[in-house]
Amino acid sequence: SQTIHQWPATLVQPVGSPLSLECTVEGTSNPNLYWYRQAAGRGLQLLFYSVGIGQISSEVPQNLSASRPQDRQFILSSKKLLLSDSGFYLCAWSVGPDLGYGYTFGSGTRLTVV
Amino acid sequence: GNSVTQMEGPVTLSEEAFLTINCTYTATGYPSLFWYVQYPGEGLQLLLKATKADDKGSNKGFEATYRKETTSFHLEKGSVQVSDSAVYFCALKPYNFNKFYFGSGTKLNVKP
Repeated sequence: SQTIHQWPATLVQPVGSPLSLECTVEGTSNPNLYWYRQAAGRGLQLLFYSVGIGQISSEVPQNLSASRPQDRQFILSSKKLLLSDSGFYLCAWSVGPDLGYGYTFGSGTRLTVV
Repeated sequence: GNSVTQMEGPVTLSEEAFLTINCTYTATGYPSLFWYVQYPGEGLQLLLKATKADDKGSNKGFEATYRKETTSFHLEKGSVQVSDSAVYFCALKPYNFNKFYFGSGTKLNVKP
């Protein structure tokens, strides 16, 4: 069966420090991978998505970057965190261009920048 | 363009009350529609989905019908429980692109 792992679950980082959140998927190959952010009291905002190794599309300009070094690994990074980067970060995967299939989400990382 | 609009919350109900959370969408073509649920401190879980007009998705007592004529996908449950307290997200996936558009979420509080 397919599973998605996301870590850490909780992170408190000072302003200006670097960030690296990791997401891995098991039980499938060539998944589409996504990073979403949920700011406090707000909905989900798509940050990045990837359809293959080294292929990253950015949805909004921001202080973050993403990389996909392996087929089932998706990393969210920042060189210098801002207070506004605080939020709940969710990784998700989906099958290829099939219709009607939803995302499978990881359990999320709650990031607090202090 | 593609977008999803949900009723604002929070919605507060007593146990065993009837639930409706409204969701309307704008999309080109015929999207697939989804409801996701987020329990406190957790990620999102797929609750139900519908892939074409007049389809009814159902799961755990929740239902939603894909209404093309009103571009709606309202979530309903006949009798809510305290354990249903969560944030509910409506989402669409365009027919020709594997990307999802989420509504802003509706928080449901069920009181005993």
